[in-house]
Amino acid sequence: AQSVTQLDSHVSVSEGTPVLLRCNYSSSYSPSLFWYVQHPNKGLQLLLKYTSAATLVKGINGFEAEFKKSETSFHLTKPSAHMSDAAEYFCVVSDPGDYKLSFGAGTTVTVRA
Amino acid sequence: NAGVTQTPKFQVLKTGQSMTLQCAQDMNHNSMYWYRQDPGMGLRLIYYSASEGTTDKGEVPNGYNVSRLNKREFSLRLESAAPSQTSVYFCASSEAGGWGTPSYNEQFFGPGTRLTVL
Repeated sequence: AQSVTQLDSHVSVSEGTPVLLRCNYSSSYSPSLFWYVQHPNKGLQLLLKYTSAATLVKGINGFEAEFKKSETSFHLTKPSAHMSDAAEYFCVVSDPGDYKLSFGAGTTVTVRA
Repeated sequence: NAGVTQTPKFQVLKTGQSMTLQCAQDMNHNSMYWYRQDPGMGLRLIYYSASEGTTDKGEVPNGYNVSRLNKREFSLRLESAAPSQTSVYFCASSEAGGWGTPSYNEQFFGPGTRLTVL
């Protein structure tokens, strides 16, 4: 069975500085990995996905993530934070052909002006 | 396209009351899902439907029932609501499950229903 650990429950950054959200996963197979974002009182929106193609994945709004099999990690980064990036972020793993997704507990990002 | 829609957006129930949460998708997706979201726990799968006519339990199915009414619609029913079911409920859909569909399971989420059980 797959599982996900998000290493930080809360990250606070200043506007214009880099953002790093850490995610480690566990899977017996070659998993698919996703990052979703949830703004306050909204549904979840897909930021990016890794599906066994390029290990560096670019997503929307300037985010990117790198799949590192040796470290079982899929960390999310953005070079320069914007106030609109304040939200909760979820790392998600799925085994091939599996209908179920496993969600991390989430990381709340605060952006200081 | 509206994507995934959910009704109602908010609901307050008394313990023991029943209600049905409705979900519909217009993306012709094969599979649909119901999750609950509680603080600090991410999303947990309640039930899912891999295709029209099939449903399966997820991680936390107790106290819930579901119906896949047709390919578009998937409803979640609370027969006798309890305070422990106070949560935000999300419906999602995915292409996964049909012939020739992707092996990865990218899911599209609705806006959620905020349920309080007193």
